[in-house]
Amino acid sequence: DTEVTQTPKHLVMGMTNKKSLKCEQHMGHRAMYWYKQKAKKPPELMFVYSYEKLSINESVPSRFSPECPNSSLLNLHLHALQPEDSALYLCASSQVTLAGGPLEQFFGPGTRLTVL
Amino acid sequence: AQSVSQHNHHVILSEAASLELGCNYSYGGTVNLFWYVQYPGQHLQLLLKYFSGDPLVKGIKGFEAEFIKSKFSFNLRKPSVQWSDTAEYFCAVLILTGGGNKLTFGTGTQLKVEL
Repeated sequence: DTEVTQTPKHLVMGMTNKKSLKCEQHMGHRAMYWYKQKAKKPPELMFVYSYEKLSINESVPSRFSPECPNSSLLNLHLHALQPEDSALYLCASSQVTLAGGPLEQFFGPGTRLTVL
Repeated sequence: AQSVSQHNHHVILSEAASLELGCNYSYGGTVNLFWYVQYPGQHLQLLLKYFSGDPLVKGIKGFEAEFIKSKFSFNLRKPSVQWSDTAEYFCAVLILTGGGNKLTFGTGTQLKVEL
């Protein structure tokens, strides 16, 4: 299984709602990532988890709260979002080498989020 | 901080034409380079990657890229494009940090191949 799955595919939420995005992979990867992609823009890194621990937070506002409950799952909890947070949210995963060497990331199809 | 530039934002070609998409990066250390493709309505897929060794790398679907260290470039090429190559192409640089791997994407090139 070389797939990263994301649910839901689409999400519409109000600014006072609380919602969560879910990402799952069964490739045995121990690094997982959240990216944000605005229309006609490249993906931008938000968070990196390595061995279920948050290793990189790219100064993302606290209204985005990531969680990695186990090595296969990655969640992104959303609360009090703004309309400008509307975007495609991509999850990715990769292996982690003991030497810390480079490895490719596998991307999921994304969740298209609209904040009203 | 590292950055990636893709100077061609929109490219229109006829089928069978040759393709070259430019990618330049700014980072003084060891770089690991990728080209990803995003077909309409589909997720990002890896076309090819360069970590070390032969600077000419071959990827899927007949694509290849050449790493020229002195020019900080990693241009993507295909000798003869097909209509099905219509997609958005992203060059990306992977930097290894103590906290994890950071992938920085270029702005993307929208390629349209006409029949």
